[in-house]
Amino acid sequence: EVQLVESGGGLVQPGGSLRLSCAASGFTFSSYWINWVRQAPGKGLEWVANIKPDGSEKDYVDSVKGRFTISRDNAKNSLYLQMNSLRAEDTADYYCARERRGISCNYGSCSTYWYFELWGRGTLVSVSS
Amino acid sequence: EIVLTQSPATLSLSPGERATLSCRASQSVTTYLAWYQQKPGQAPRLLVYDASNRATGIPARFSGSGSGTDFTLTISSLEPEDFAVYYCQHRSHFGPGTKVDIK
Repeated sequence: EVQLVESGGGLVQPGGSLRLSCAASGFTFSSYWINWVRQAPGKGLEWVANIKPDGSEKDYVDSVKGRFTISRDNAKNSLYLQMNSLRAEDTADYYCARERRGISCNYGSCSTYWYFELWGRGTLVSVSS
Repeated sequence: EIVLTQSPATLSLSPGERATLSCRASQSVTTYLAWYQQKPGQAPRLLVYDASNRATGIPARFSGSGSGTDFTLTISSLEPEDFAVYYCQHRSHFGPGTKVDIK
């Protein structure tokens, strides 16, 4: 079965750390960009980070830069999110999501676009004292 | 930075009715826009990509249209399982969502 399964969420104090994992199965994990997307309680979706298939490129939303690190182990079909210096506003369900990525070129200028075609069920991170 | 706005925030309809959801981008995204459905306690699900292509397994009652800055998701006849929140997305940006609830 093609799936993503997150784990590692829990309750942590402000300033603390947590490491999330996402286990992939049923597809060639090493061929895809993978993302973390979060959703605060009762709120909308917020993209957090993504990582290239070989791990050589990573990007983050500004609010987590310098605090969160995305990584992957293709031999283990696994994605990770190391979260340090956690804040109350990081409280959310964290989803890993596989990308469907493409490139659009117009008059010699190209840009990438992507969609989130496969999602895990999420893991809840609560930051509170 | 692109900002996506969705309207209305809430749409109250009855089963069998037609739902029309709007997503507007602050600048052109050509046709590189997706729609997602999220039910309570569940992960989002990709419905439509490239503005008008249904994802695998999505029923034909869901259709997407638009280009540039204005996009529409239409549900031709609401089924009970379609009452949910719908998000549009372009690259790393999501709209705030439209909740479709039962009238």
